[in-house]
Amino acid sequence: RKEVEQDPGPFNVPEGATVAFNCTYSNSASQSFFWYRQDCRKEPKLLMSVYSSGNEDGRFTAQLNRASQYISLLIRDSKLSDSATYLCVVGGRGSTLGRLYFGRGTQLTVWP
Amino acid sequence: NAGVTQTPKFRVLKTGQSMTLLCAQDMNHEYMYWYRQDPGMGLRLIHYSVGEGTTAKGEVPDGYNVSRLKKQNFLLGLESAAPSQTSVYFCASRRGTDATGYTFGSGTRLTVV
Repeated sequence: RKEVEQDPGPFNVPEGATVAFNCTYSNSASQSFFWYRQDCRKEPKLLMSVYSSGNEDGRFTAQLNRASQYISLLIRDSKLSDSATYLCVVGGRGSTLGRLYFGRGTQLTVWP
Repeated sequence: NAGVTQTPKFRVLKTGQSMTLLCAQDMNHEYMYWYRQDPGMGLRLIHYSVGEGTTAKGEVPDGYNVSRLKKQNFLLGLESAAPSQTSVYFCASRRGTDATGYTFGSGTRLTVV
């Protein structure tokens, strides 16, 4: 079983739409969680960390449900520039402390 | 600050040739990583290092070797390149095991013919 599972999409939404991505992780002891964004043929870049209480950064809201081992990312008022692949990322624990585990990514296309 | 710098950015190799990919970071990060990314496969960890002089295997280490002689540099070597090693290679570094994520280099696109 993969450490992090994501729906690969693709998601195609119009500008202004609200879109949500979900992922699940397998290691219940994980302590750090992130969403990364990757544009075509570019390196992944940190979008936001995910905290237990949930957190918001402008149009982006991240939620963590430790009991269900589930992470979500909500994008409101989608912009054309939000088109990218979104990677769900979970930190390792114990012998794998220091490593991050990446989901395969969810592709988003926002159309005019 | 340059962050994480990878060289070269592009390379075409013939089967059986060898090469070294260089990753350099100027952020005094302890942890460094080499990933490969293939279509539909996501990022897969090749090798990583938790400090100068240390290295460890990731998920897909076969066919690769690494060295971390200096804290700021992490080298990835291909001793005898194979077409299956055609990929985009990303290096990343991380300050520690706190809540910070990785900083990635811009990638090396390698084609083995």
